[in-house]
Amino acid sequence: DADVTQTPRNRITKTGKRIMLECSQTKGHDRMYWYRQDPGLGLRLIYYSFDVKDINKGEISDGYSVSRQAQAKFSLSLESAIPNQTALYFCATSDFGGRGNNEQFFGPGTRLTVL
Amino acid sequence: GENVEQHPSTLSVQEGDSAVIKCTYSDSASNYFPWYKQELGKGPQLIIDIRSNVGEKKDQRIAVTLNKTAKHFSLHITETQPEDSAVYFCAAMGTSYDKVIFGPGTSLSVIP
Repeated sequence: DADVTQTPRNRITKTGKRIMLECSQTKGHDRMYWYRQDPGLGLRLIYYSFDVKDINKGEISDGYSVSRQAQAKFSLSLESAIPNQTALYFCATSDFGGRGNNEQFFGPGTRLTVL
Repeated sequence: GENVEQHPSTLSVQEGDSAVIKCTYSDSASNYFPWYKQELGKGPQLIIDIRSNVGEKKDQRIAVTLNKTAKHFSLHITETQPEDSAVYFCAAMGTSYDKVIFGPGTSLSVIP
């Protein structure tokens, strides 16, 4: 089974609708991240969380919110979707940083289209 | 904040040739530089990384070099194979070890 799973894998929705993307991990990592991928722009950080009570904004948090329901679950919400939020969204996890392992483990992605 | 630039955006090479991807970063405090490979339809996966106290690191056909003075680092792939075709991302992380800033990516095509 995959260590980092995302649901749904694909979603088409309309402008103004509320959307939730979910991420679950079995790696036992404390740190979880949500990224957005657009052609030519790479991966941009939306939100990140270091534990259930710690939520931080990334580069492009406007229009998004998150919830860390448990160590293993981190969801991303679009309260009122707009067309320029059409993108590929990735969840990732990592162990504690510092001088140890900083590797991030990515889920398979959710392709979101807002019409 | 940190900004990471990456060139070229697309790269085509003949199978067996070498490929080089170059990145620059803006924050001189950055000290960890990973490279990720993203195959079609999948999430990125770490392939190699380097820390600021090292100038070069190799792992079989891939190597990364770092020039801290110039604030640039490069990925070198030798004897390229069709399965090397993918999007490659460079990234940088600062001493706070909280988040990674990614470059815009390079789409590498290896022509058989």
